[in-house]
Amino acid sequence: QVQLVQSGAEVKKPGASVKVSCKASGYTFTSYGISWVRQAPGQGLEWMGWISAYNGNTNYAQKLQGRVTMTTDTSTSTAYMELRSLRSDDTAVYYCARLCSGEYYYYMDVWGKGTTVTVSS
Amino acid sequence: SYELTQPPSVSVSPGQTARITCSGDALPKQYAYWYQQKPGQAPVLVIYKDSERPSGIPERFSGSSSGTTVTLTISGVQAEDEADYYCQSADSSGTLFGGGTKLTVL
Repeated sequence: QVQLVQSGAEVKKPGASVKVSCKASGYTFTSYGISWVRQAPGQGLEWMGWISAYNGNTNYAQKLQGRVTMTTDTSTSTAYMELRSLRSDDTAVYYCARLCSGEYYYYMDVWGKGTTVTVSS
Repeated sequence: SYELTQPPSVSVSPGQTARITCSGDALPKQYAYWYQQKPGQAPVLVIYKDSERPSGIPERFSGSSSGTTVTLTISGVQAEDEADYYCQSADSSGTLFGGGTKLTVL
């Protein structure tokens, strides 16, 4: 079955960087994109951006431009999200999700279980 | 900036019909999607392209669109449907989510 397995929880200090992985299985990795979404404690969902697993094209949320980088390794069917210059308000659960997209549609049909990132001094 | 607006909460008794709305100026031109999220769990897609239901999602979940508002309808609500529900649609720079609606089953 289609599955996305994320890396474990992280605790980081302000100013540090974090890199979360998302290993896909059960489908052809390069046929879909991967979207990243985060959720701060008690808050709603926030879209961070997406990456095409086919050609590596990316589209990042404007508020994260310059701090976030999304990459993929097609040899291991793994996507990565790196966030730099961490602040306390980056504390959140970070989800990867399989992206179904075309000219007129864009949605996430399978989600990982999430990775908790805590930023604290 | 573009926003998707949902009511913070909706309450319904078991067996009744719950309707959760999502409003946004671009919705007449863009598809909407709905996700269910239970506490401590990842979101689950329940409706895509306004009204399509993924395999495995019960038939009591349906979606509709009218002008700038899309609606998620849950017919014959069950206790297990208590969750947060988020709408999602595209904007000029990517995609965004509504603020979420907490569905309480009384």
